[in-house]
Amino acid sequence: GDSVTQMEGPVTLSEEAFLTINCTYTATGYPSLFWYVQYPGEGLQLLLKATKADDKGSNKGFEATYRKETTSFHLEKGSVQVSDSAVYFCALRVNNAGNMLTFGGGTRLMVKP
Amino acid sequence: NAGVTQTPKFQVLKTGQSMTLQCAQDMNHNSMYWYRQDPGMGLRLIYYSASEGTTDKGEVPNGYNVSRLNKREFSLRLESAAPSQTSVYFCASNQNQPQHFGDGTRLSIL
Repeated sequence: GDSVTQMEGPVTLSEEAFLTINCTYTATGYPSLFWYVQYPGEGLQLLLKATKADDKGSNKGFEATYRKETTSFHLEKGSVQVSDSAVYFCALRVNNAGNMLTFGGGTRLMVKP
Repeated sequence: NAGVTQTPKFQVLKTGQSMTLQCAQDMNHNSMYWYRQDPGMGLRLIYYSASEGTTDKGEVPNGYNVSRLNKREFSLRLESAAPSQTSVYFCASNQNQPQHFGDGTRLSIL
């Protein structure tokens, strides 16, 4: 079946450090890929997405490139801020499976001043 | 903009009690979903409703029932709560776009 694997956290960084959160997937079809962010006490918010191979999703300084050859969708940011502290979820949607998402386990990011 | 509204935000139950979690969306979305979130396991789909009048099981439906009351509302019921159902529950909705999530219901079963 479809699955998403994320690096385990927590990831602890100092402000302005470079961030990478790894995400790899397995899927039977041709998935769309997503990163969601969950701030403390809130629900998940869509951060960025990519719908086909080699697409790059970007938002709020975060980027992720859909790599079909390595089945990966790693999240990166050049300079993190304290306000980026949150839990990040990688997810996929197989395009012949309606609107349902398969989520990774989440990675907690803590940014220290 | 309300988006997806869940009630209650917190609830503590005793084993064997029943409880209904409410979810409403004001975006005229066809599809609605219930997930549970447990540490290290991401979000797991309990039930979903692709359109008004239809419901289907997700990955972890046992111990739960749902009702799609109308297009706006999708409720989740625990008939006899068990400690294993202690979790944070999220409702979501969408229509051909990425899912919009509510803020969650934190449920503890003692």
